[in-house]
Order: sequence, then structure tokens, then C-alpha cells
Amino acid sequence: DAGITQSPRYKITETGRQVTLMCHQTWSHSYMFWYRQDLGHGLRLIYYSAAADITDKGEVSDGYVVSRSKTENFPLTLESATRSQTSVYFCASKDATGPQHFGDGTRLSIL
Amino acid sequence: QKEVEQDPGPLSVPEGAIVSLNCTYSNSAFQYFMWYRQYSRKGPELLMYTYSSGNKEDGRFTAQVDKSSKYISLFIRDSQPSDSATYLCAMSVNYGGSQGNLIFGKGTKLSVKP
Repeated sequence: DAGITQSPRYKITETGRQVTLMCHQTWSHSYMFWYRQDLGHGLRLIYYSAAADITDKGEVSDGYVVSRSKTENFPLTLESATRSQTSVYFCASKDATGPQHFGDGTRLSIL
Repeated sequence: QKEVEQDPGPLSVPEGAIVSLNCTYSNSAFQYFMWYRQYSRKGPELLMYTYSSGNKEDGRFTAQVDKSSKYISLFIRDSQPSDSATYLCAMSVNYGGSQGNLIFGKGTKLSVKP
């Protein structure tokens, strides 16, 4: 009964480094999402995917890249990390008609 | 004007109180309304989910949607210390595609004191 898991749970890195956050779901949900949560802003959508090999930008996609070669995985990459990308990142998934279910997040600090 | 407005609180109530949490929204096309509960250092957990207008009850929780006023509410009866969390409202126009994407309120932090 794994559901949706994110790794790592905590990450500290330096500006300019590339970092990849992982998301894995065991429900075979078609939709997957990446959000960031910041004080004063709430949850904001970075990228979403309707199926394998189909991705689209959300509200705050600049500086982020995603891929979805397999239905169950949806990694998020920060190509060159900046301090403004320090945040808590949440992955979510859903099937065609149900609500979104979230992972427990990755706390990312960029020094 | 933000699409979804939610008072961030914090809201502090004694155990056993009835809690009322609210969100207003501006997009009349929203049809799907959700409430999520988020404990500290955890992901949002779906509490209630409603379609269009009306009420939905699940145990101590009641969700109300008033589309004419663009206003949704979550009521918690007989509140418990374990209800202490941040409550997020979320809504969408549809289920799939870009219109299925959720727009979230900023969350209301609730503390229930024993």
C-alpha cells in the first residue's frame, strides 16, 4: 500500500547545481502533478502530465524540467538551482475522474 | 483579485467547538470543490469532495457549496485536538486537461485546544 512516494524527503544543494526530485505512484494514475508550496503563496502548479510522454506547463514552470517516460514516475529537475527555488515540493496523482492525492513532499534548500 | 481567497487565520478554538472554514472564489466556471487537510511536514490529504452546489456530510465534517454566492464552507462538529492542521480549499472547472487543474486557497491554520 505504497500510494505515492517522493524522494528525497530533504535536500540541501548549492546555487547553480542540477537537482532532481523523484515521484513514484503505484495506482497507475494517468495524471501526475508537481507543486511548490511557499509561505504566503500556497500551492502553485509547476508542471502536470496527462499520460506518459505528455507534459504541460503550470503557473510557475520557469527553471524546471519534467519527463514522464513511464506512467508511474514523474521526476522534476531544476537545471540550475537558484535560491528562489528553495521550497517544499509536492507531487500528486489522479485518475481520469477522481481527485488528486499527494505525496509527503520534498523540502529543498538552496544555499 | 485572486481566483480563490481563504483567510489564513490562525484560528484557535476549544475542544468540542464547531469550526467553520470558508473560501470565496471569482471564477463562476468552477464545478468541483475539495477540502484538503495538511498536517505539519506532511502532504495535503483529501477530506471532502463535492460537485456543483449543495451539502455533503461525512462524519463530523460537512462541506457546503453556494455557487450563487461563489462561497464554499467546511464545518467541523465536536472538534478534536487531532483536527489541528492547515485546511486548504481547492477547486477546478473540470476533471481532465488543463481545466482539471486545481486552484488552491492559501490555507487556514486551525488549532483545537484541549
